[in-house]
Amino acid sequence: AQSVTQLDSQVPVFEEAPVELRCNYSSSVSVYLFWYVQYPNQGLQLLLKYLSGSTLVESINGFEAEFNKSQTSFHLRKPSVHISDTAEYFCAVSGQGGKLIFGQGTELSVKP
Amino acid sequence: GAVVSQHPSRVICKSGTSVKIECRSLDFQATTMFWYRQFPKQSLMLMATSNEGSKATYEQGVEKDKFLINHASLTLSTLTVTSAHPEDSSFYICSARMDLRRPYEQYFGPGTRLTVT
Repeated sequence: AQSVTQLDSQVPVFEEAPVELRCNYSSSVSVYLFWYVQYPNQGLQLLLKYLSGSTLVESINGFEAEFNKSQTSFHLRKPSVHISDTAEYFCAVSGQGGKLIFGQGTELSVKP
Repeated sequence: GAVVSQHPSRVICKSGTSVKIECRSLDFQATTMFWYRQFPKQSLMLMATSNEGSKATYEQGVEKDKFLINHASLTLSTLTVTSAHPEDSSFYICSARMDLRRPYEQYFGPGTRLTVT
């Protein structure tokens, strides 16, 4: 069975500071990994994904995540956050038949 | 491209009534649609998977008679919450998949907030 653990439920950070949102997964097979962002009362938007190839993947708005197979991690990072990055972030792994298994979510709160 | 809509965005209903939520893929044909439920400050829990023209596959613990799913066309799936109770109040999100060759690629709707009074 596959599972995802997001180690931090809430991450408060000041604007322009760096941030890391942690995600660990467990799987006995090859995985596809995803980060989604959810703004209040909205659906999920795909932030970035790892399918294969380079272990470092980037999004268009400055986030990046690195797939680390030995540590079974897929942590999300941004070197300098903005107020507009305040949102809930979900890590997910693709399971059997393409089902997405989500972590518990991390609430990123960026303060001025 | 790959836009998924949900209707209504918010609905309030009285206990004991039924409510229908629509999920539409606007610019693509969805081979599969998924229905999720999200409680406040919690993750998304997959409720069921529906394929056009066939019965939905429900996750363990989800009452199929309470949460009726119909996937009548390649662009529309509906979730009907029957005999709703306050504990059914939640945020319901659908997603749609267009390409079986990329089963992990899902496009999410904006969600429907259901409040049962």
